[in-house]
Amino acid sequence: GAVVSQHPSWVICKSGTSVKIECRSLDFQATTMFWYRQFPKQSLMLMATSNEGSKATYEQGVEKDKFLINHASLTLSTLTVTSAHPEDSSFYICSARGGRAGETQYFGPGTRLLVL
Amino acid sequence: QKEVEQNSGPLSVPEGAIASLNCTYSDRVSQSFFWYRQYSGKSPELIMSIYSNGDKEDGRFTAQLNKASQYVSLLIRDSQPSDSATYLCAVRSGGYNKLIFGAGTRLAVHP
Repeated sequence: GAVVSQHPSWVICKSGTSVKIECRSLDFQATTMFWYRQFPKQSLMLMATSNEGSKATYEQGVEKDKFLINHASLTLSTLTVTSAHPEDSSFYICSARGGRAGETQYFGPGTRLLVL
Repeated sequence: QKEVEQNSGPLSVPEGAIASLNCTYSDRVSQSFFWYRQYSGKSPELIMSIYSNGDKEDGRFTAQLNKASQYVSLLIRDSQPSDSATYLCAVRSGGYNKLIFGAGTRLAVHP
């Protein structure tokens, strides 16, 4: 399979601060990356899709000014949660596909965000 | 909205038995189908992909696809307690850039 990493794995921050999460494809070039959010005991929820060099496409109900996504290279996408609030506390997971990974999506290990 | 449906479970099977997980999808032009496993607190990991009608085997796992019935399943032979997890069915339709996930079936394999 292909490998996707995320950093950090855990983050705790104060309400009102911004948090950046990185997603990297380690052994393939990811033309498309996806960002998901998952609350405890709930399903994966797709937040946005990003293609390298293009603006992200956000799912309905996801605030694009609050969740900033940048996919500047074929191996890196970032999600910035701006002015985080306790209700943003969740498990954020990225996935990637493209290059030798083909159309299969490989997931990163996820980032747990806790906003106090 | 394209939909993927799974029984939420839990599906409880004894160790050594065959676990059968089922998934139906609504979009007839769906082309690619995936099964992921997600352990509690972890991110999903790919088990298998299937694109053509019929069976595809990989070790203890067999994926079955029937496009006419819009049905895809995953069989786990010789189930182990370590197989206890939530299994997610995902479907990609032609023209869509994203996967549509089912809500997942929770599998519990008891010794």
